[in-house]
Amino acid sequence: DQQVKQNSPSLSVQEGRISILNCDYTNSMFDYFLWYKKYPAEGPTFLISISSIKDKNEDGRFTVFLNKSAKHLSLHIVPSQPGDSAVYFCAAVIAYSGAGSYQLTFGKGTKLSVIP
Amino acid sequence: NAGVMQNPRHLVRRRGQEARLRCSPMKGHSHVYWYRQLPEEGLKFMVYLQKENIIDESGMPKERFSAEFPKEGPSILRIQQVVRGDSAAYFCASSMGLKETQYFGPGTRLLVL
Repeated sequence: DQQVKQNSPSLSVQEGRISILNCDYTNSMFDYFLWYKKYPAEGPTFLISISSIKDKNEDGRFTVFLNKSAKHLSLHIVPSQPGDSAVYFCAAVIAYSGAGSYQLTFGKGTKLSVIP
Repeated sequence: NAGVMQNPRHLVRRRGQEARLRCSPMKGHSHVYWYRQLPEEGLKFMVYLQKENIIDESGMPKERFSAEFPKEGPSILRIQQVVRGDSAAYFCASSMGLKETQYFGPGTRLLVL
C-alpha cells in the first residue's frame, strides 16, 4: 500500500516555463513534507520542505504548495532551467507525534526533462 | 566540508556471499538512516541508528540483514547470504538530530549475480 504517490512518472517542460510536479498522500498522520531532487548515479538532494501548518513555502525558483484537505502537494519551479532535469521525489514524515524515528516515506519519483 | 560518504559505490556479489556497505555521516551528524531503492521504485526506509544504538529497524528484513553504527567508524549495513532480490541501490542519510533534515550519500549499487 503506497502512502505517497507521484502519479506522473515523467514530465517535459520548455525552458523558461513553469514545471509543476504533483504528489498525493493517504496517511493523515503525515505532518511534514519534503522534496528531493536526484541526478543519475547520485543520492537525493534536499530541495524544499513544508510543515502541515502552512500551505505554501517558497525558496527562490521553488515553491511548494500543500492542500491538507485534499492530501495533495505540488512543487512549482519557475522559471524551469535545463539543469533542473532530474528525478524529483516527494517524501512525507510523521514529525510531531513525539515518538518514532522520523523515517521518510517516499513516492516513486517524477522524471523532469527541461527542454532548451 | 565533506558530505555523506558511502563505499563502495558499486558492489558485485554472487548468491550466498556477504555484502558489507559502509556509510560515514556528515561531520557533526550522529543520526544515520539506511534506505533501499529497487528499480523503478522510490526509496524505502530500512533502519535508523544513533551511535551504538539501533533506534528503529522496522523496515529491515527479519533475516540476513543487520546494521550497526559503532562509537568509532562508519555505519555498516551487512547482508548475509545475498540473493538476486537484494540487488538494489542502498542509500545512507545522516542528520544532526531527530527531526532534522536528512542528507543523503551517493549510494551503493549492489548487484547479485
